[in-house]
Amino acid sequence: GAGVSQSPSNKVTEKGKDVELRCDPISGHTALYWYRQRLGQGLEFLIYFQGNSAPDKSGLPSDRFSAERTGESVSTLTIQRTQQEDSAVYLCASSLGGGATDTQYFGPGTRLTVL
Amino acid sequence: QKEVEQDPGPLSVPEGAIVSLNCTYSNSAFQYFMWYRQYSRKGPELLMYTYSSGNKEDGRFTAQVDKSSKYISLFIRDSQPSDSATYLCAMTGAGSYQLTFGKGTKLSVIP
Repeated sequence: GAGVSQSPSNKVTEKGKDVELRCDPISGHTALYWYRQRLGQGLEFLIYFQGNSAPDKSGLPSDRFSAERTGESVSTLTIQRTQQEDSAVYLCASSLGGGATDTQYFGPGTRLTVL
Repeated sequence: QKEVEQDPGPLSVPEGAIVSLNCTYSNSAFQYFMWYRQYSRKGPELLMYTYSSGNKEDGRFTAQVDKSSKYISLFIRDSQPSDSATYLCAMTGAGSYQLTFGKGTKLSVIP
């Protein structure tokens, strides 16, 4: 079946602009995660959605970052007033449930470059 | 000290070699340990998953966890050029969904 998809695959923007990144999880997966991967760094947890529960936003680095999820489907990550340090690959993952034993399936990522 | 330490490499080996990849960690609450493989410009994919201490084998891949030393390893036997990728260790605690990742080790297997 279809895996996790993300769009756009690449995004180049100017400092100060807002960007919106999209994630389509695997159908039926109740849990959705956003991660950031900076060059030469491991994946940083950003936010977690599980069903209709309140999201865990503890990993969002500043109030310029926000994310929404419509039910158990598509999610968007919005970065306002982008800064050069926001340049990274933004990865989305989904899993059947939200437990430690539920495999997270990753999308290909959106490569964001802030000029 | 970061929670998870992983040598970023790069590591270059000849085809057929045995590869050893390692991570150390500091959080004794971690109980679930994973290895992800990430090809260039792709998302990570789960390769191996181990609970608590011990070994797990899957084909050419063996994952080892030593909780007493807070040290995990991934061994690749008879390495192939198709194994060339970045290998990320990840771990989490019981009842948690947050994975903590290492920086990843970039591996090149030379034909």
